[in-house]
Amino acid sequence: DADVTQTPRNRITKTGKRIMLECSQTKGHDRMYWYRQDPGLGLQLIYYSFDVKDINKGEISDGYSVSRQAQAKFSLSLESAIPNQTALYFCATSDPQRTGTDTQYFGPGTRLTVL
Amino acid sequence: RKEVEQDPGPFNVPEGATVAFNCTYSNSASQSFFWYRQDCRKEPKLLMSVYSSGNEDGRFTAQLNRASQYISLLIRDSKLSDSATYLCAVATSGSARQLTFGSGTQLTVLP
Repeated sequence: DADVTQTPRNRITKTGKRIMLECSQTKGHDRMYWYRQDPGLGLQLIYYSFDVKDINKGEISDGYSVSRQAQAKFSLSLESAIPNQTALYFCATSDPQRTGTDTQYFGPGTRLTVL
Repeated sequence: RKEVEQDPGPFNVPEGATVAFNCTYSNSASQSFFWYRQDCRKEPKLLMSVYSSGNEDGRFTAQLNRASQYISLLIRDSKLSDSATYLCAVATSGSARQLTFGSGTQLTVLP
């Protein structure tokens, strides 16, 4: 079984709709991240969380919100989707204190299309 | 200037060739360095960490040059299966450190 899972894997929605992307992990890591990737571009950090009570904005948080429901779950919401939010979204986890490294482990991604 | 920069390529090389990628970073306080591999439309996967002394894993060699603030990845004896996008990632120091990714270098190994 995958250590980091994302649902849904693909989603097509319309402008103005609210949508939630979910991420779950079984790695026991305390840190979780949401990134978006656009074609030909690198990964841009949207939000990150170092534990259940900690939420931090990344470089492109406008138009997004997150919820850390439990150590293992981190959800990303688009309150009112717009076409330029069409992208590939990745969740990632890390636990530098426990693993001794800043390495991040990624989920399989959610391909979101906003029409 | 971007924090982490890579030559986007594409690099098209014949099977068996040696190819090298560089990645420059702007923050001299950066502490951890990584190379990730990303296949088309898939998630990035850790290829290797980069240590100060340089490190090798089979056909792959990673090096760090702190003075010039870049890391490199050398692939020897390229295989068709090496075709992918290679992302470098850099973490700054401090408890809140997180990874900043380059935009990736695309490699295609040709038969």
